[in-house]
Amino acid sequence: EVQLVESGGHLVQPGGSLRLSCAASGFTFSRNWMHWVREAPGKGLVWVSRINSDGSYTNYADSVKGRFTISRDNAKNTLYLQMNSLRAEDTAVYYCAKRGDLGSTNWFDPWGQGTLVTVSS
Amino acid sequence: SYVLTQPPSVSVAPGQTARIACGGSNIGSKNVHWYQQKPGQAPVLVVYDDSDRPSGIPERFSGSNSGNTATLTISRVEAGDEATYYCQVWDSSSDHYVFGTGTKVTVL
Repeated sequence: EVQLVESGGHLVQPGGSLRLSCAASGFTFSRNWMHWVREAPGKGLVWVSRINSDGSYTNYADSVKGRFTISRDNAKNTLYLQMNSLRAEDTAVYYCAKRGDLGSTNWFDPWGQGTLVTVSS
Repeated sequence: SYVLTQPPSVSVAPGQTARIACGGSNIGSKNVHWYQQKPGQAPVLVVYDDSDRPSGIPERFSGSNSGNTATLTISRVEAGDEATYYCQVWDSSSDHYVFGTGTKVTVL
């Protein structure tokens, strides 16, 4: 069974940093592109970042570019999101998700259960 | 940036058909994907590439896409279908992924 388990979310002050992790199992992690998606309280889903299978290519939503860094350790089957210069508007549940493996592949399945990041003083 | 617009809410009686629209400029030229999200849970893919269903998703869920509107159709609606549904595309011009605004489906 494919499983994604996020961790690392907690309360942090504005301007602070945090690193999220996503442990993957049940599939060949090193062959799959991965994503981070977030959901602010009472708001919708917003794509955050993507990384290719070997980590050589990444891209970011404009709202986090220059502040967040996505990375992966294929030996540990783990995806990361380093979040710096955090703002109140970064408060959200952060999900990791695997890229689709059929057709266009531009979809997300499955998703982890999410980890809550709260940015507040 | 590319924008996807959905109605905030749709109400439907059990056993009837719910149709959820997702509007975007020339969306018919893109592959559209749909997710179901229940309160406190992670999203679940219900349709990918306009009209394909992942394994385990009932045939009651179907999709179509043409012109400026994509549509998710839920036939023979059940109480368990009550959730928020999001459409999503990949925008090739920006290489970004875009979600719709979400539609809350209420089963009367």
